Amino acid sequence: DSGVTQTPKHLITATGQRVTLRCSPRSGDLSVYWYQQSLDQGLQFLIQYYNGEERAKGNILERFSAQQFPDLHSELNLSSLELGDSALYFCASSDDRAADTQYFGPGTRLTVL
Amino acid sequence: ELKVEQNPLFLSMQEGKNYTIYCNYSTTSDRLYWYRQDPGKSLESLFVLLSNGAVKQEGRLMASLDTKARLSTLHITAAVHDLSATYFCAVKGPSGNTPLVFGKGTRLSVIA
Repeated sequence: DSGVTQTPKHLITATGQRVTLRCSPRSGDLSVYWYQQSLDQGLQFLIQYYNGEERAKGNILERFSAQQFPDLHSELNLSSLELGDSALYFCASSDDRAADTQYFGPGTRLTVL
Repeated sequence: ELKVEQNPLFLSMQEGKNYTIYCNYSTTSDRLYWYRQDPGKSLESLFVLLSNGAVKQEGRLMASLDTKARLSTLHITAAVHDLSATYFCAVKGPSGNTPLVFGKGTRLSVIA
């Protein structure tokens, strides 16, 4: 158990809908990262937040957005869902110290029908 | 743009044998990570390598880093079935806020 929690574990929804994925980082970690893992694209970095502010952006679609709240939990919002958005979405957190290892949550499996 | 290549992508090996997974990256970096992922599960941190010549070992796995060659290896000694998983290397770019770039992963299957 990495100490990073994500909810829900599974999500099944229809095209065009909007969903919110939630992540709580390890205690004391200020950075939260979101990743998408699919069979064809592999593990893709989406976005990073540090202590409430966006720090780095990767291959995140305009239909996707994220935020980090004062209690450091983060939410990833996916809207106008398409079939191709079906994937595993991981959240990770790190302590931003020298090693800066990212610890991954259990993931949310999103299925868009 | 930082690119990370792993090879092989698929590896089937017999129990008791040794093998090495390679991770090459395209630009300067001082941090390289190895992760393990079981099917349908999360990524588990195995090693972080922070300097040239760094070597870390845990059980039957040993990771090393050569920053001059931009190469890391994950060596498996006397493989056992429990090591069957997908192994990813990930490299952090040279400047402060660059994200991790992951390789495509090596799917390892250890057979009796």
